[in-house]
Formats: sequence, structure tokens, C-alpha cells
Amino acid sequence: EPEVTQTPSHQVTQMGQEVILRCVPISNHLYFYWYRQILGQKVEFLVSFYNNEISEKSEIFDDQFSVERPDGSNFTLKIRSTKLEDSAMYFCASRNNGGGDGYTFGSGTRLTVV
Amino acid sequence: QKEVEQDPGPLSVPEGAIVSLNCTYSNSAFQYFMWYRQYSRKGPELLMYTYSSGNKEDGRFTAQVDKSSKYISLFIRDSQPSDSATYLCAMTRTQGGSEKLVFGKGTKLTVNP
Repeated sequence: EPEVTQTPSHQVTQMGQEVILRCVPISNHLYFYWYRQILGQKVEFLVSFYNNEISEKSEIFDDQFSVERPDGSNFTLKIRSTKLEDSAMYFCASRNNGGGDGYTFGSGTRLTVV
Repeated sequence: QKEVEQDPGPLSVPEGAIVSLNCTYSNSAFQYFMWYRQYSRKGPELLMYTYSSGNKEDGRFTAQVDKSSKYISLFIRDSQPSDSATYLCAMTRTQGGSEKLVFGKGTKLTVNP
């Protein structure tokens, strides 16, 4: 079964450093998402991406965040200057169609900012 | 009022019990209603989804939606220790042509052998 692949599975970074989280969505999917989950809290929407541009972003997704689909297969989330409160699980998701069964999530990247 | 409310539990039941998990929501624009299962430090995995009010059954799992009350439920019959996980309700919302999922906080379920 096709899957969404995320790398790395765990990243530790120092506060103020830049990080890039990588995702390979399912190949025929057209819509891409980043969600995050702070420990013990709910899964929160960060950003959606379609046709090489952001279609929607949340209040969390400020100027420190950016997304890119550099080569037609990868989908990346960059955090320019990490803060302690950026520590969370980051999930990439992709979908082709709308509807309830369209979304596939990756296993996530656990980001720890120290 | 939060868009999606879900009792975080935790919920602990003996093997074989019937489990009832619930979410309420405030936005009548939500279209699809999903239940995801999440194991520790893993991504959400889709269990079931529904669109209209009513019941949908898949094996030991039944999803129920009541749009008039803005209430959704997931029932697990004959629960097994392998059902132990966090269960997340989620709903799709389309705004300005963009669709996204809105999640509840998740209910942590433990099924004891």
C-alpha cells in the first residue's frame, strides 16, 4: 500500500538553528499538508499546499516557517530559527481526492529543540 | 467554544467490553467525519469515515454521526488488547476552496486482558 515517508524520524537541534523536515508524499497525490502535535495535545493544522503554492496556513505558521516542493517528489517544512516551543511531532499528509478516506499521514518527525 | 471537543480520557476497559468514544463539534460546515487510531509517536491511521448522519459498520467498529446534534461516536465491540491506542476524531472543513482536517484532542484507550 502506498505510504507517506518522513525523514528523519527524530531530530534534535539547538534553539535558533534552522531545521528542514522532509516528506515524500504518495506519488499521484496533489494536496500536501503539515500538521504538528505537541506532546499531550491535539494534532494541529499548520499549512496546506497545492499546485506549488500555499492554499491555507494557520496562525502557527508564521514567518519562521516555510514549505517547498523542490523537485516534484519531496515536500519540505523549514523552520528558520527554532524555539523551544517548536518541539513537537510533525506529520506530513497527502491526499488526491476530497472525502473521508483521502488523507494519508506519515509516521512523523519528532523534533526536539534544546 | 472549541470547534471539536473530545474527552481525552484516559479510558480503561476489560477485554471484551463495548467501548464508546465521542466527539462534539460546533461548525455545521464540517463535511466528512473520521476516526483515526494513533499509536505512541506514530502518525494517525484512518479507521473509518462517514459523510451523512447515520451509522456505518466495519467489523467490530461502528461509526455514528448525528448532524442535528453535532455529535459523532465510535463504538468498538468485543474490544481487544490490540485496540489499545489513542483514538482521534477528525472532520474536514473547506474554506475558500481549501480543505483541511480539524482534529479532536484524542481519547487514550487501554483494553486490559
